[in-house]
Amino acid sequence: EPEVTQTPSHQVTQMGQEVILRCVPISNHLYFYWYRQILGQKVEFLVSFYNNEISEKSEIFDDQFSVERPDGSNFTLKIRSTKLEDSAMYFCASSGGFDGYTFGSGTRLTVV
Amino acid sequence: SQQGEEDPQALSIQEGENATMNCSYKTSINNLQWYRQNSGRGLVHLILIRSNEREKHSGRLRVTLDTSKKSSSLLITASRAADTASYFCATDAHQAGTALIFGKGTTLSVSS
Repeated sequence: EPEVTQTPSHQVTQMGQEVILRCVPISNHLYFYWYRQILGQKVEFLVSFYNNEISEKSEIFDDQFSVERPDGSNFTLKIRSTKLEDSAMYFCASSGGFDGYTFGSGTRLTVV
Repeated sequence: SQQGEEDPQALSIQEGENATMNCSYKTSINNLQWYRQNSGRGLVHLILIRSNEREKHSGRLRVTLDTSKKSSSLLITASRAADTASYFCATDAHQAGTALIFGKGTTLSVSS
């Protein structure tokens, strides 16, 4: 069964550093998403991406965040200057449109 | 904003018993999905029910949807210890590729 692949599975970074989280969505999906889940809290939407541009974003997705689909297969989330409160599990997902989403296994980001 | 909210927040049952989790949301939806998350792990898509459907089955899972009450239920029959996890409902609006809005989840503990 097709999978969404995320790398790395765990990343530790120092406050103020930039991180890039990587995702390979399902190849024939058109919509791509990033969500995050702070430990013990609910899953929160960050951003959706369609046709090489952001289609929707939440209040969380401020100027320190950016997304890119650099090569037609990878989908990345960049956090420019990490803060302690960015520590969370980050999930990538993709969908074909009106059907269910497929989520990756997540990247656990720890900012120290 | 549309939002899935589950209840109860926590549920403890014995193996073999049925577990019922409920979800309520606020605005009209395209579909409602249920996800499972083992502690510290990724989101696993369980079942999707469209707004024009009232009930759906998948193995030991049964999902109902009442759009007039803006509510859904997930029933797990004959529970097993391996069903121990958090269960989330998620809704999306009438637009392809729109964000999923997750509820806070129900933590299910099944003891043997």
